[in-house]
Amino acid sequence: DAEITQSPRHKITETGRQVTLACHQTWNHNNMFWYRQDLGHGLRLIHYSYGVQDTNKGEVSDGYSVSRSNTEDLPLTLESAASSQTSVYFCASSSTSRAYEQYFGPGTRLTVT
Amino acid sequence: AQSVTQLDSQVPVFEEAPVELRCNYSSSVSVYLFWYVQYPNQGLQLLLKYLSGSTLVKGINGFEAEFNKSQTSFHLRKPSVHISDTAEYFCAVRSPSNTGKLIFGQGTTLQVKP
Repeated sequence: DAEITQSPRHKITETGRQVTLACHQTWNHNNMFWYRQDLGHGLRLIHYSYGVQDTNKGEVSDGYSVSRSNTEDLPLTLESAASSQTSVYFCASSSTSRAYEQYFGPGTRLTVT
Repeated sequence: AQSVTQLDSQVPVFEEAPVELRCNYSSSVSVYLFWYVQYPNQGLQLLLKYLSGSTLVKGINGFEAEFNKSQTSFHLRKPSVHISDTAEYFCAVRSPSNTGKLIFGQGTTLQVKP
């Protein structure tokens, strides 16, 4: 069955370190998204991509970057982790024809100490 | 700019009672509206959606929602809840011009008590 996976599921890192969160989908979806989930804020869009070599900034992109070298993967990099980036991160994907229906990964809980 | 407001952060309810989770949106253009559910320690999954047509939308697990354009609302309802409905529920909006992007509300935690 097609799926979307994230790794690691839990990560503890120190302030200032570079961290990369992986997202892999086997739906063959063109659209991929990264969100962060924080209490009282719901889900906020960090970056998104509509296809290979395409990346776009969301509403909370500062301190994060993504790259899309193939259809299946959209890794999220925190260039220099900060305590304010402690959060739960969700990756999602959707097809071009049904762009509104996003499929979510299980999430990565990141703690920056 | 579009925005979504979920009017209740927590809704406690007893099993087999009816429930309504409220959602209001703001948009100057026609929108697509969604409810997603997040069970503990899981990602979100689509519960139901409104794209066009009938304003009463039925989703999975016995949930339904009504689109009210004049009140800019999209409230989620279930006539009789079960313990397994305990989860966080998110209302979201997408403008047809913003392919694939969703704007989420803050979430409502539904706590079903025995």
